[in-house]
Amino acid sequence: GAVVSQHPSRVICKSGTSVKIECRSLDFQATTMFWYRQFPKKSLMLMATSNEGSKATYEQGVEKDKFLINHASLTLSTLTVTSAHPEDSSFYICSASVGQTNSPLHFGNGTRLTVT
Amino acid sequence: AQKITQTQPGMFVQEKEAVTLDCTYDTSDQSYGLFWYKQPSSGEMIFLIYQGSYDEQNATEGRYSLNFQKARKSANLVISASQLGDSAMYFCAMREGDTGGFKTIFGAGTRLFVKA
Repeated sequence: GAVVSQHPSRVICKSGTSVKIECRSLDFQATTMFWYRQFPKKSLMLMATSNEGSKATYEQGVEKDKFLINHASLTLSTLTVTSAHPEDSSFYICSASVGQTNSPLHFGNGTRLTVT
Repeated sequence: AQKITQTQPGMFVQEKEAVTLDCTYDTSDQSYGLFWYKQPSSGEMIFLIYQGSYDEQNATEGRYSLNFQKARKSANLVISASQLGDSAMYFCAMREGDTGGFKTIFGAGTRLFVKA
């Protein structure tokens, strides 16, 4: 149980275009999803907390106008990288949990974004 | 300030031996959860083990055990009988309660190499 599906797994786009990444909880309802970014050989950096039906909460230093997050339903959250630039190239990974402090995050398999 | 500290960038262990991966944390919350995740080279995040702040006994899951020392704020992962497939990146993570917004933050990670 607690499967999170993330698509696409890899995407290459040209500088200036936008890319949408989808994150779905397949067998549970996720009122909250979390988006992370991971640079090569580095840790996961929390970008934002996505709450169903409300605006996302962004971490300090994360541009909300560049990284648009929508959590339209209890099973779907999307991250759109707008006007992508090469420095946005990274591994983006979403996660969700079914509870609070005692619940582990269940992760999607991540999206490797390359902006050329 | 660092909330999760993993001081070992890399660790080597001989196959079939035990290894301890260090993790210290910092929080003012009384209620929090501590987690360990494994990330193979393929990128997915695999949940290994959980320890709650109120749990009096150390958590165990198969070959994984968590050495929880609350007063020292440490949550070291012990892997017994290492296998070649254990070679991966290991992240310690903490999920705080209300004051932390139930967010999960990660340490810098430790890369484990298991030698045959």
